[in-house]
Amino acid sequence: DTGVSQNPRHKITKRGQNVTFRCDPISEHNRLYWYRQTLGQGPEFLTYFQNEAQLEKSRLLSDRFSAERPKGSFSTLEIQRTEQGDSAMYLCASSSYREAFFGQGTRLTVV
Amino acid sequence: DQQVKQNSPSLSVQEGRISILNCDYTNSMFDYFLWYKKYPAEGPTFLISISSIKDKNEDGRFTVFLNKSAKHLSLHIVPSQPGDSAVYFCAASVLRGANNLFFGTGTRLTVIP
Repeated sequence: DTGVSQNPRHKITKRGQNVTFRCDPISEHNRLYWYRQTLGQGPEFLTYFQNEAQLEKSRLLSDRFSAERPKGSFSTLEIQRTEQGDSAMYLCASSSYREAFFGQGTRLTVV
Repeated sequence: DQQVKQNSPSLSVQEGRISILNCDYTNSMFDYFLWYKKYPAEGPTFLISISSIKDKNEDGRFTVFLNKSAKHLSLHIVPSQPGDSAVYFCAASVLRGANNLFFGTGTRLTVIP
């Protein structure tokens, strides 16, 4: 399968715990994005990498959120001290100067 | 501030008929537009796109129309099939392949057999 892969698909965590999600983009894509989608809304941009450089972060990305893309390959998104408002679908996408292709997402539930 | 708007949350169409999904935008700097289709518990799947230098792009049963003066685009699906039932998102960007897409809130299409 050469699509965008995200793990885990589902995560349930207690409020205050840290969580980390992983994204493996399409191998030839140098651009990687993280989006968040809540119920009834479209995906909202969080952050963007070109190769290993994080070039843009949305104001939605609070200090509790950190994303990395070491070596310009896979990426991780960590949320520290999770809050109930962090419950959402976290989507990763990759592109190579054309349309962005999305993974299946990680659904986070904070209880 | 919602820069991309899909004012119809849902649409029902009979199988074989035309489905027309609409999208409006406010940012005149947008010059690339995309439609994504999303099934439950899956990520959005790219469907079709259009550059602002065009007013129409067609791919099989799917056609996207762009009216720049009205800041409006639409997706036509002809003929509609039950497998087309999904949520459709309109998205826009300032530059093709740019750093982020702005999405609408989606329209749920139901194609009735």
